[in-house]
Amino acid sequence: LAKTTQPISMDSYEGQEVNITCSHNNIATNDYITWYQQFPSQGPRFIIQGYKTKVTNEVASLFIPADRKSSTLSLPRVSLSDTAVYYCLVGDTQDMRFGAGTRLTVKP
Amino acid sequence: DAGITQSPRHKVTETGTPVTLRCHQTENHRYMYWYRQDPGHGLRLIHYSYGVKDTDKGEVSDGYSVSRSKTEDFLLTLESATSSQTSVYFCAISESPAGTWSNQPQHFGDGTRLSIL
Repeated sequence: LAKTTQPISMDSYEGQEVNITCSHNNIATNDYITWYQQFPSQGPRFIIQGYKTKVTNEVASLFIPADRKSSTLSLPRVSLSDTAVYYCLVGDTQDMRFGAGTRLTVKP
Repeated sequence: DAGITQSPRHKVTETGTPVTLRCHQTENHRYMYWYRQDPGHGLRLIHYSYGVKDTDKGEVSDGYSVSRSKTEDFLLTLESATSSQTSVYFCAISESPAGTWSNQPQHFGDGTRLSIL
């Protein structure tokens, strides 16, 4: 069963690049890796998704090594509004496992 | 944002009473999901649906039942609520199976905060 492990918390400063790594040693061949962002009193919001190598969109990049046992979410030049909990999700519909999330605090 | 409405948004009830939470979508997505979120556990899948009247269990399904009689509505029922079911419940939808080759992410509602005293 796919299980994810992330750091519990991270601190950063405005304008810095932040990298959050998720470990998923038991990822299955057909599993995608998805990252979500969650603000207090809101549901998680989709950030980025990938299968292998590197994916980039307008808000983040996702780096996945060849063995796919981990993934790294990269947020360029964070701002105060990026303070949130970030979750990685691995698994298919019948066995989706969210990690406990990483609480990112961006300081001025 | 995806058209997902959860109701009620907040509810306080007593142990042993039945509780039904509703998720309504306007996106005509086939897949719908119920999660619970508790401190230190992230989100855990309770049940999901892959079509009208088609449902399956998730990681923490004990004590919960679901029904989907229409594409747009997915109901979560606690037949006899217990204090351990105090949580924040999220509904999610996706066009096709989440996390698989279809590359379809889930879209979440804003949650229902349920307190069972």
